[in-house]
Amino acid sequence: EVQLVESGGGLVQPGRSLRLSCAASGFKFTDHALNWVRLSPKKGLEWVAGVSYNSLSIGYSDSVKGRFTISRDNAKESVFLQMNSLSPDDTALYYCVRSVGGYLTHFDNWGQGTLVTVSS
Amino acid sequence: DIQMTQSPSTLSASVGDSVSITCRASHNTNFLAWYQQKPGKAPKPLIFRTSTLENGVPSRFSGGGSGTEFTLTISGLQPDDFATYYCLDYDRSYTFGQGTKVEIK
Repeated sequence: EVQLVESGGGLVQPGRSLRLSCAASGFKFTDHALNWVRLSPKKGLEWVAGVSYNSLSIGYSDSVKGRFTISRDNAKESVFLQMNSLSPDDTALYYCVRSVGGYLTHFDNWGQGTLVTVSS
Repeated sequence: DIQMTQSPSTLSASVGDSVSITCRASHNTNFLAWYQQKPGKAPKPLIFRTSTLENGVPSRFSGGGSGTEFTLTISGLQPDDFATYYCLDYDRSYTFGQGTKVEIK
C-alpha cells in the first residue's frame, strides 16, 4: 500500500522558516516524481513544488519561488520542503503528493497533510 | 501565467441529478485531470488525460473536452458525490482550478 506521511508543520511567526518532511513507503520511490501541494480556504488547492526522481527537474509555483526549496533523499525514501521567509499567505495544509510517473505527470496518491500556520 | 477558470464555484443539486462542471484553460492543453475532495480528507483522483477514469471510479463520472474547454459530468448524483471538485492542468506546469462545491439542494 502506498503511504505518504508528512511531518514538520506547526505555528511559526512571519519571516521565520520551517522544514516539512514526507516519508514514503509501499512503492519503488525512484519511479516517481514527488510534489508538495497546499490547500487553503482562500485559494483552494495550489501546487507548490515538484522534483523528478533524480532531482534533475525541479519546479516551483511563482508564489514560492526563491523562498521554498524542495529536495529528496532516495536512500531514505523521503522528500522535503524548506520554507523560508514565511508569510501569513503561506498558511495552509501541505500535502505530499506522488506523480504517477516522471515530472509533469498527473498525481495519483496523496498524504493526509501537515498544517502550517504563519501568525504572530 | 497559466490560468484555469472553473465554474460554477458552487452547485446545488439533488440525488439522481446529472451535473456538469467546466474548466477553461488559458492555453491549449492535452493534460487535464479531475480530483474529488471531502472535508478532512485528501483529494481523490477521478480522471486523467481528460477522460480516462482512475481504477475504481464509478462509471457515472465522465470527463470530456479538448483544447481549452473541459467538463466533468456526474450522471445520477449519489449521496457519496457531494464534495468539492478540482480540475488540474499538468501540461507545462501544474495549475488547479478554483474548485466547485457540489452541495445538496
